[in-house]
Amino acid sequence: GESVGLHLPTLSVQEGDNSIINCAYSNSASDYFIWYKQESGKGPQFIIDIRSNMDKRQGQRVTVLLNKTVKHLSLQIAATQPGDSAVYFCAETPGGKLIFGQGTELSVKP
Amino acid sequence: GAGVSQTPSNKVTEKGKYVELRCDPISGHTALYWYRQSLGQGPEFLIYFQGTGAADDSGLPNDRFFAVRPEGSVSTLKIQRTERGDSAMYLCASSLVGTGGELFFGEGSRLTVL
Repeated sequence: GESVGLHLPTLSVQEGDNSIINCAYSNSASDYFIWYKQESGKGPQFIIDIRSNMDKRQGQRVTVLLNKTVKHLSLQIAATQPGDSAVYFCAETPGGKLIFGQGTELSVKP
Repeated sequence: GAGVSQTPSNKVTEKGKYVELRCDPISGHTALYWYRQSLGQGPEFLIYFQGTGAADDSGLPNDRFFAVRPEGSVSTLKIQRTERGDSAMYLCASSLVGTGGELFFGEGSRLTVL
């Protein structure tokens, strides 16, 4: 079936370093992609989105890159902080519903 | 309230019982989604409403699961004859426009079936 997968299940970084979280998606028809952050016991929280007519979008300390040729998304977090520790999910939207990947757990060491 | 509200936050029930989970979306959001999330997994799509109608219910695992949104606002997810495998976090999200729009999630209802 359709799936969105992540290359790395866990990522540990030092506070202040940059983090890169990768994601592969499978549905070529998807035209909208979102990164969500989920802290323990809470619902997913929107971080940044990108449409398929773009290849890069920047937010505050975060950048999303989209490579449609290889169906790959990445989330870059600049100057990672302890508060960034969470599970990060990419998600795609083929036909209205949002399909999530398995998630990458980001751990920030002080 | 300002965000998506889900009740109850925790529900413990016995195998075979009936359960209802409620979602109150952000006011004015026409699209409403239900997801199920098991520990260590990503949210799994269940059903999506546009207004009062179910636009896509392809994620409902079987006929024990049913959801309604009679007035296009509050939605109820209903689970009949619960099984231990139904234990999970049930997440609700709403969106202003539906397809291609940001989803705002509630904090979820954790269901435990003993």
